[in-house]
Formats: sequence, C-alpha cells, structure tokens
Amino acid sequence: GQQLNQSPQSMFIQEGEDVSMNCTSSSIFNTWLWYKQDPGEGPVLLIALYKAGELTSNGRLTAQFGITRKDSFLNISASIPSDVGIYFCAGRSEGSSNTGKLIFGQGTTLQVKP
Amino acid sequence: DTAVSQTPKYLVTQMGNDKSIKCEQNLGHDTMYWYKQDSKKFLKIMFSYNNKELIINETVPNRFSPKSPDKAHLNLHINSLELGDSAVYFCASSSWNGYAEAFFGQGTRLTVV
Repeated sequence: GQQLNQSPQSMFIQEGEDVSMNCTSSSIFNTWLWYKQDPGEGPVLLIALYKAGELTSNGRLTAQFGITRKDSFLNISASIPSDVGIYFCAGRSEGSSNTGKLIFGQGTTLQVKP
Repeated sequence: DTAVSQTPKYLVTQMGNDKSIKCEQNLGHDTMYWYKQDSKKFLKIMFSYNNKELIINETVPNRFSPKSPDKAHLNLHINSLELGDSAVYFCASSSWNGYAEAFFGQGTRLTVV
C-alpha cells in the first residue's frame, strides 16, 4: 500500500535549537497535514497544506507543501521543552479525494534538553 | 467541551472476549474514522463512515465491526479478541467538503491478555 517516508525517526536537541523534519511519498498528494502527539493523547493538528508550494506558519512552526507534490517539511524554530512529542506527517492522495483517507508517516520523536 | 470523545480510555480484557469502544463527536462533522496505532506508533486507517455509510474498510478482520447509529457516533465492536489486537485505537472525524483535516479523540488503549 501507499507509504510515507518520514525522517528523521528521532531527534534529541538542546532547547533553543531549530528542528527540521520531512516526509516524502512515491505518489502525488493533494493534501499534507502535520500532527503532534503527546504521550497518552491523540494526534493534534498543527498545520494543513492544500496547494503545491504553499508555505504556512503556526507560531514557531512552519510547514511547506513541496512543489513536486510528493513531499513536505516541518520546521520548528527556537525549540522549547513543551515541543517534546511525536510529530506525524499525513497526506491524502488524489486517488483518495472522495474518501478522506489519510496516510501517515512513521513519526519523528522529538526530545528537547532544557 | 471535548470535540471527539471515546470511551473507555483503557481496556484490559482476556483473549476470546468481545468488547466495544464508543466514539462521539460534537463538531458537526459527517465523516468519522477508526485508526489503529501499533506498538511502533504507526497509525493506520481501519474504517471510515460518511453519514452512517461505510466508505473505507481497510482489509480489517471481520471480527471488527463498526456501527454508526448516526453521523455523530461511530462505535467499534471487536469479537473474539486476540493478543495481536492489543493497540491504541483512535476515533477521528472530519467534514466532507474536500478537505481532509481529521480531528482525533484521545484514544483507547486496548490490552488483550
């Protein structure tokens, strides 16, 4: 089935550092979403992207929809301890436009050292 | 008010038992989903319902039977539970307007012993 390759798998950084993670797909996607999951909770939507080349920010978070429509990245600037968690990319392919089905990446576990 | 709520949050049960997980959303969405998150945190869709109609069934064993009494509720019933069913199950909902923003519940951690 369809898969998203998300990298890196994990990151351990110092507070204040910037973070970058990305997702790639073998097929074209028409929607990219970025979620964060805290321990014991469900994924929470951070940013949604709908057009190739779109660049969207949410506070210290910035995400872009790749122009090839096969990739997306998420940047977190000036990380703080509460950024700790698992970040997931999710996408919807053109073939799933009428179902709402999302394909998820494997997740990036972020740890921030104060 | 919780947007997508599911109960119970934790469920420990023996192999062979039958159990249900309930989900309700108050977002006015007409599409609801069940996702399964395995021990490696991988999230995979199981089912999708739009206005009480099954849209997606991702080759899930027929021991899993979703039921949607109305568009605000989607329950998941699991028969003859197996050890491999242990996972976290998430309910989610979205609107049906061409956008795929899904909002998730807090999850139900199912442990089969």
